Amino acid sequence: EPEVTQTPSHQVTQMGQEVILRCVPISNHLYFYWYRQILGQKVEFLVSFYNNEISEKSEIFDDQFSVERPDGSNFTLKIRSTKLEDSAMYFCASRPGGTNLDTQYFGPGTRLTVL
Amino acid sequence: GQSLEQPSEVTAVEGAIVQINCTYQTSGFYGLSWYQQHDGGAPTFLSYNALDGLEETGRFSSFLSRSDSYGYLLLQELQMKDSASYFCVRTTDSWGKLQFGAGTQVVVTP
Repeated sequence: EPEVTQTPSHQVTQMGQEVILRCVPISNHLYFYWYRQILGQKVEFLVSFYNNEISEKSEIFDDQFSVERPDGSNFTLKIRSTKLEDSAMYFCASRPGGTNLDTQYFGPGTRLTVL
Repeated sequence: GQSLEQPSEVTAVEGAIVQINCTYQTSGFYGLSWYQQHDGGAPTFLSYNALDGLEETGRFSSFLSRSDSYGYLLLQELQMKDSASYFCVRTTDSWGKLQFGAGTQVVVTP
């Protein structure tokens, strides 16, 4: 069964450094998302992406964050200058096109630790 | 107040039935989903209701009443592997943006 993959599984970085989190969504999906989950808290929406542009972003997704789909398969989240409070699990998700809004398929996540 | 309200924890024995209730704010509502998450794992889709009524998928069922802004997830014939967090999730727009509740920790005991 196709699945969303994410790399790396764990990223440790120093405060102020740039990080790029990578995702490969399911191949025929058209809508892509990033969510994050701070340890012990709920999953929070960051951004949705469709047709090579951001369709919506949350208040968390400030100008330190950016997303890109550089080729036909990868979907990346970049944090330009990491802060301690960016430490969280970051999940990528995707879903097929159409009007059906049910299932989103989540990747296994990247645990980001900012020191 | 919170956009989605669900209990924080439920404990039940193997073989029992558990119902997790969820109430939500009605602004920007496209549907209610339920996701399961085991410790450290990815949220996994369980069920979705866009219209009133009951959806059944094996041992799991989900119900929605839009007029009451209320839904529930029913877990039947509980198994030890069902110990996990269960999230009530609202779809808030046509792009599919998901808003998660705080989650209900289900603990299944022998």
